[in-house]
Amino acid sequence: ETGVTQTPRHLVMGMTNKKSLKCEQHLGHNAMYWYKQSAKKPLELMFVYSLEERVENNSVPSRFSPECPNSSHLFLHLHTLQPEDSALYLCASSQDLPGGTNLGELFFGEGSRLTVL
Amino acid sequence: GEDVEQSLFLSVREGDSSVINCTYTDSSSTYLYWYKQEPGAGLQLLTYIFSNMDMKQDQRLTVLLNKKDKHLSLRIADTQTGDSAIYFCAEINMDSSYKLIFGSGTRLLVRP
Repeated sequence: ETGVTQTPRHLVMGMTNKKSLKCEQHLGHNAMYWYKQSAKKPLELMFVYSLEERVENNSVPSRFSPECPNSSHLFLHLHTLQPEDSALYLCASSQDLPGGTNLGELFFGEGSRLTVL
Repeated sequence: GEDVEQSLFLSVREGDSSVINCTYTDSSSTYLYWYKQEPGAGLQLLTYIFSNMDMKQDQRLTVLLNKKDKHLSLRIADTQTGDSAIYFCAEINMDSSYKLIFGSGTRLLVRP
């Protein structure tokens, strides 16, 4: 039990489909994140939410749409994706944003493995 | 620019020491981190070092920080097969203080 739960664990979708990834954290944290992990590439930060407000949109294509309805839940809505979007999508949370004197330890979910055909 | 670099692969024999190296760019980072990712799992914070420290030891783990050369290393003593994983070095981005910059990860393989 990691405290951060992601569903589904695996998703296969066509380029015209619409699907959503869900993340739930049971840790009482204030910040939540979406990362993309591709083979042989560094983790790419996609979105950051703090207290349900988006604080980072890291030049992510509009076919990815995040939603944070409350501090415990984070969604990533997917539509008209491309095959190069196939990757492991990791959700993470932290008590507060890192920086300054805050360690900002990230707690990751196990990820959603996305395959776009 | 932002760039955290690590070698991609390290293979050691069980019982030996492992040393994973990392170079980073932002000398103002407050914390530098080592995260571990086991197969099929998300990343987990393994250890960290505060930027005013040169060394931190935590059981089998030793972190060394050379601020002059912007070099960070993680030493695992008496490496076990359960240590086989991907190890990520990370620093905090100065301009976006909440943004961690991760390296590509070093895959550690421990041979019996």
